[in-house]
Amino acid sequence: KAGVTQTPRYLIKTRGQQVTLSCSPISGHRSVSWYQQTPGQGLQFLFEYFSETQRNKGNFPGRFSGRQFSNSRSEMNVSTLELGDSALYLCASSPAPTDTQYFGPGTRLTVL
Amino acid sequence: GEDVEQSLFLSVREGDSSVINCTYTDSSSTYLYWYKQEPGAGLQLLTYIFSNMDMKQDQRLTVLLNKKDKHLSLRIADTQTGDSAIYFCAETVYNQGGKLIFGQGTELSVKP
Repeated sequence: KAGVTQTPRYLIKTRGQQVTLSCSPISGHRSVSWYQQTPGQGLQFLFEYFSETQRNKGNFPGRFSGRQFSNSRSEMNVSTLELGDSALYLCASSPAPTDTQYFGPGTRLTVL
Repeated sequence: GEDVEQSLFLSVREGDSSVINCTYTDSSSTYLYWYKQEPGAGLQLLTYIFSNMDMKQDQRLTVLLNKKDKHLSLRIADTQTGDSAIYFCAETVYNQGGKLIFGQGTELSVKP
């Protein structure tokens, strides 16, 4: 079974731009969560989606948003990028929200 | 509150056992996980333990849970240079769906 895939793997943007990251979960998994990883803050929860509904949201500003499609694929969007948004963004999928999560390789975002 | 603490570094010799420790604060933790991250990669699930268990063994990995002290450990037997990576402890909390709360990660260095 193919693992979690994330595209693109690397992105370079400038301050003020917006970015969309994509995540395809493991086949049959309906829950997708997103995490931000930075050297200073570590791994922090962004949001969780199940059946196209956001079930939980972390403590991030409204510039961070996401959605999930009927095929369980998910996207997250960051608007008005700031330098501090430079991070590794990790997506994880599970069959259901309380099941074990499996992570993708991440998207490395650099904001200049 | 929710907090997970790990020591930052551990150095061992090849062939020795490694023990990585983790403490958590939320007594309503349901599952506790160990993930491994190699440079430039996402998180690889190593093992997990349900909060009503004391121990779980999986090949070279042994997880011990002391619920009274809120202490979790991961023992890697016969540590190899390929085990060099960052190891994250994470918990899920009752009534917060799939949200994972991570420790800062322990960097394991295995010397030949």
